Amino acid sequence: DAGVIQSPRHEVTEMGQEVTLRCKPISGHNSLFWYRQTMMRGLELLIYFNNNVPIDDSGMPEDRFSAKMPNASFSTLKIQPSEPRDSAVYFCASSLAPMRGIRPNEKLFFGSGTQLSVL
Amino acid sequence: AQTVTQSQPEMSVQEAETVTLSCTYDTSESNYYLFWYKQPPSRQMILVIRQEAYKQQNATENRFSVNFQKAAKSFSLKISDSQLGDTAMYFCAFMKYRGAQKLVFGQGTRLTINP
Repeated sequence: DAGVIQSPRHEVTEMGQEVTLRCKPISGHNSLFWYRQTMMRGLELLIYFNNNVPIDDSGMPEDRFSAKMPNASFSTLKIQPSEPRDSAVYFCASSLAPMRGIRPNEKLFFGSGTQLSVL
Repeated sequence: AQTVTQSQPEMSVQEAETVTLSCTYDTSESNYYLFWYKQPPSRQMILVIRQEAYKQQNATENRFSVNFQKAAKSFSLKISDSQLGDTAMYFCAFMKYRGAQKLVFGQGTRLTINP
């Protein structure tokens, strides 16, 4: 398996532009997580999906951020309009969520991240 | 809510030395997982070691071991015989045993191994 695939690896854009980050989870995984990493705030969870449904988006910073998971093999994180303070590394991670009554699966697999720079 | 604290922003040791990274956490959960992740300059998040809170025995993975003190809510990582390739950011992380597999990370410790 190729692991979690994120694109692009680097993105440089100007303030006000729309940015779309993409993620392909590991085949068969049913949970997907978007994390953001900054120097000031460290790694923080933005949103996570289970079976393509957003479960918790309490970490999404504001309405400029949106995430979708149209199918089990693809997710996007969109920022519109982008601002310089959105500059960060954005990680996607996937896992196989535990079924009821079965021992939890604690293993998350991370992509290589997208380095976003908003000028 | 759970919090994870790493009190050492940076550490530096000589190659072949032993180094210990500190981590404390706060939770009201009785069972949970704790992790150490390594992030080298390549940016990839690499799982180094994990500990299940209900297991008293400290986890070990080759040169990496942990000192898990549940009552003190402490979870330190010891790297023995450090190597240049161990140079990286190290993150301590917490996950509840049940429910969503959300990781809560500490701020990280930048570890440099000098030749």
